[in-house]
Amino acid sequence: EVQLVESGGGLVKPGGSLRLSCAASGFTFSNAWMSWVRQAPGKGLEWVGRIKSKTDGGTTDYAAPVKGRFTISRDDSKNTLFLQMNSLKTEDTAVYYCTTRNSWYAFDIWGQGTMVTVSS
Amino acid sequence: DIQMTQSPSSVSASVGDRVTITCRASQGISSWLAWYQQKPGKAPKLLIYAASRLQSGVPSRFSGSGSGTDFTLTISSLQPEDFATYYCQQANSFPFTFGPGTKVDIK
Repeated sequence: EVQLVESGGGLVKPGGSLRLSCAASGFTFSNAWMSWVRQAPGKGLEWVGRIKSKTDGGTTDYAAPVKGRFTISRDDSKNTLFLQMNSLKTEDTAVYYCTTRNSWYAFDIWGQGTMVTVSS
Repeated sequence: DIQMTQSPSSVSASVGDRVTITCRASQGISSWLAWYQQKPGKAPKLLIYAASRLQSGVPSRFSGSGSGTDFTLTISSLQPEDFATYYCQQANSFPFTFGPGTKVDIK
């Protein structure tokens, strides 16, 4: 079964850090271009960033609101994607989903999401 | 950045109704458009990609059309399980952007 399972969410104070993980199974993770998408409470979807497969360069791209604060990485030996979040702001409060794309850059596999709350 | 708009923001409909949702991009995106369905507390589900291609396992009552800047998602005969929020997303260029969503609820 194709599956993505996020973990690592929680409550953190403004200015703090948090590291999210996403465990993949049921597909060849090392070939996948992976993204993080977030959704603030009661709001719409916002793409956070993306990492290519290592064979395609392993490079990353980020949305402007998180660039310089968030870092996406991957461990293909453990089929796991990471999102390191630093200098967190209250506006980063959201459910964070990991997802992967098909050949048309549509997000076809999603995890269940993990909630991040940034509050003092 | 490419801005995505959707209309209407919400629609009330009955089971069996035909529902059409429109998505517009602020600049041309060819056919690089996807549609998602999201139910409360759940992850989004891909319905349509490449503007008109039906994702595997998605019922054929869902269809997509359009290219360039104007796109539509049509549900030909609304079923009880279709009450949800629908989002469009452009995949033409970074940053990938989503529309604000259209909520389909029960009339």
